[in-house]
Amino acid sequence: DTAVSQTPKYLVTQMGNDKSIKCEQNLGHDTMYWYKQDSKKFLKIMFSYNNKELIINETVPNRFSPKSPDKAHLNLHINSLELGDSAVYFCASSRLGDTQYFGPGTRLTVL
Amino acid sequence: AQSVTQLDSQVPVFEEAPVELRCNYSSSVSVYLFWYVQYPNQGLQLLLKYLSGSTLVESINGFEAEFNKSQTSFHLRKPSVHISDTAEYFCAVGMDSSYKLIFGSGTRLLVRP
Repeated sequence: DTAVSQTPKYLVTQMGNDKSIKCEQNLGHDTMYWYKQDSKKFLKIMFSYNNKELIINETVPNRFSPKSPDKAHLNLHINSLELGDSAVYFCASSRLGDTQYFGPGTRLTVL
Repeated sequence: AQSVTQLDSQVPVFEEAPVELRCNYSSSVSVYLFWYVQYPNQGLQLLLKYLSGSTLVESINGFEAEFNKSQTSFHLRKPSVHISDTAEYFCAVGMDSSYKLIFGSGTRLLVRP
């Protein structure tokens, strides 16, 4: 009965590759988010979708492309991975303007 | 622009001692305030939140935080900590107009026996 789930949990890949991270929530929320946590544990929002519409798009390289096929899913595709993309990526969901609930995170390591 | 400051990067404390983790924010509009906890190698869990009403909010595991508008603070306290409270604690501010959370840099609470 996991509320917000992410796959994979760990992702190790080479520079230049393209990879995707998937997120699903079963809370019935209408808004989903992607956050990046760097090696110093600093958390910063990247994107947010409400009812499949992009509502937050922070200053993120256009190599990162979110996709929301429906309200329960928000995927993150990353092209041409760079060393600096290594981080933990967290998905979260909420009702719009309400408390956000986080997934367990995906640890991405770019070699 | 909104910002959140957690002045203490690490707080070591002995088991059963009281603890306070400090959080200050800056915002020109009304905000919602949150404390999240991250146990080692896990995701973030909501600890407690202030949306409106009583300025003192409590969690089920003995933590409490008080919203102080004049001092723009939302410090987290616990009168007696356990070893299992060892974790990273994040303060965050949110506004319903922007729908995003701004996080502080985190405070690592290290409880020693």
